[in-house]
Amino acid sequence: AQKVTQAQTEISVVEKEDVTLDCVYETRDTTYYLFWYKQPPSGELVFLIRRNSFDEQNEISGRYSWNFQKSTSSFNFTITASQVVDSAVYFCALSRTGNTGKLIFGQGTTLQVKP
Amino acid sequence: KAGVTQTPRYLIKTRGQQVTLSCSPISGHRSVSWYQQTPGQGLQFLFEYFSETQRNKGNFPGRFSGRQFSNSRSEMNVSTLELGDSALYLCASSWARISVAGGGETQYFGPGTRLLVL
Repeated sequence: AQKVTQAQTEISVVEKEDVTLDCVYETRDTTYYLFWYKQPPSGELVFLIRRNSFDEQNEISGRYSWNFQKSTSSFNFTITASQVVDSAVYFCALSRTGNTGKLIFGQGTTLQVKP
Repeated sequence: KAGVTQTPRYLIKTRGQQVTLSCSPISGHRSVSWYQQTPGQGLQFLFEYFSETQRNKGNFPGRFSGRQFSNSRSEMNVSTLELGDSALYLCASSWARISVAGGGETQYFGPGTRLLVL
């Protein structure tokens, strides 16, 4: 069975601190896709990144970076120099080839960035 | 390009009633997925439609149904509402491959419909 675990329920940091959100996944598939989404208080899920199982290259986008390690089944997300606007719920999700349209989400991590 | 839109944004119903939610995907997207989000269960997949056909379905009772129109707009219906159906219902659209090997496409979400059942 496929599963995504985000062990950190809530994280609170002070502005400008770096913060890492953990994501561990379970799947027996060799081809799969991992995602991160941000959900601000307005409720809409905002797409951040997609990674397929064959691409373990880390990615950096501005203050955001992602570390994908198949050996530990983890896909962690780091925000550098956090800002108040980063406050939101962050979801990690898993998708399988052949299982159209279905994302399996973790429980989410609530990030609070205090000024 | 306009994003995914959902109507209505908020809805209050009473137990036993039925409700229909609407979703308009991003222009050109042919796949629409629906999710239910509750504090207790998190985000759960309801179903996915592509070319007016349901291709995938989650573990929800038959009271939850949907359809897709030729312009890719989708509706979901919940009949005989229960208190536990109170949730944020999110719709997402994506480019989707026609083949059965589809899957893994990036989904773009709408703002959701917040349903309260009294």
